[in-house]
Amino acid sequence: AQSVSQHNHHVILSEAASLELGCNYSYGGTVNLFWYVQYPGQHLQLLLKYFSGDPLVKGIKGFEAEFIKSKFSFNLRKPSVQWSDTAEYFCAVNNAGNMLTFGGGTRLMVKP
Amino acid sequence: DAGITQSPRHKVTETGTPVTLRCHQTENHRYMYWYRQDPGHGLRLIHYSYGVKDTDKGEVSDGYSVSRSKTEDFLLTLESATSSQTSVYFCAISEPGTAANYGYTFGSGTRLTVV
Repeated sequence: AQSVSQHNHHVILSEAASLELGCNYSYGGTVNLFWYVQYPGQHLQLLLKYFSGDPLVKGIKGFEAEFIKSKFSFNLRKPSVQWSDTAEYFCAVNNAGNMLTFGGGTRLMVKP
Repeated sequence: DAGITQSPRHKVTETGTPVTLRCHQTENHRYMYWYRQDPGHGLRLIHYSYGVKDTDKGEVSDGYSVSRSKTEDFLLTLESATSSQTSVYFCAISEPGTAANYGYTFGSGTRLTVV
């Protein structure tokens, strides 16, 4: 069965710091990868996705993620975070059918 | 959120009582899912449906049942609520073949507290 690991459970940064959140998955075949964001009190929203092509994917609000197949990773990055990026971030993987497997989430707090 | 409504948004119930959560969609999507979200566990799939009257278990289905008598409604029932079922419950939808490319669309969640 597919599993997804997000090793950083809590991250605290100051505004303007750079961000990288790790995501590793277990399945070695063809995968589609997603990052979702959940702002406080809100539902999950799609931040970006990868399913083919350029392994560097750009999403909304200045976020990007890089798919590295050899490392089974899909890390999320942002060069300069803002207070409004405070949220919980979830990595998700699809390798067959309609099922997504989610990681445990990373809570990001950005201090103003 | 647009197209998906979860009700109630908040509920407090007593241990041992039955509880039903409702997910209603106006997108006519075939697939519907119930997840629970808990600190440190992320989102875990409880049950899902791939059509009217077609449902299957997810990884944390014990203590939960579901029903889907209409395309637009997917009900999650806790037959006898326990404190371990205190959580935030999210409904999600997708179309066949699209989850791989587009992921899911999520509802706003139901915060359930079992006392």
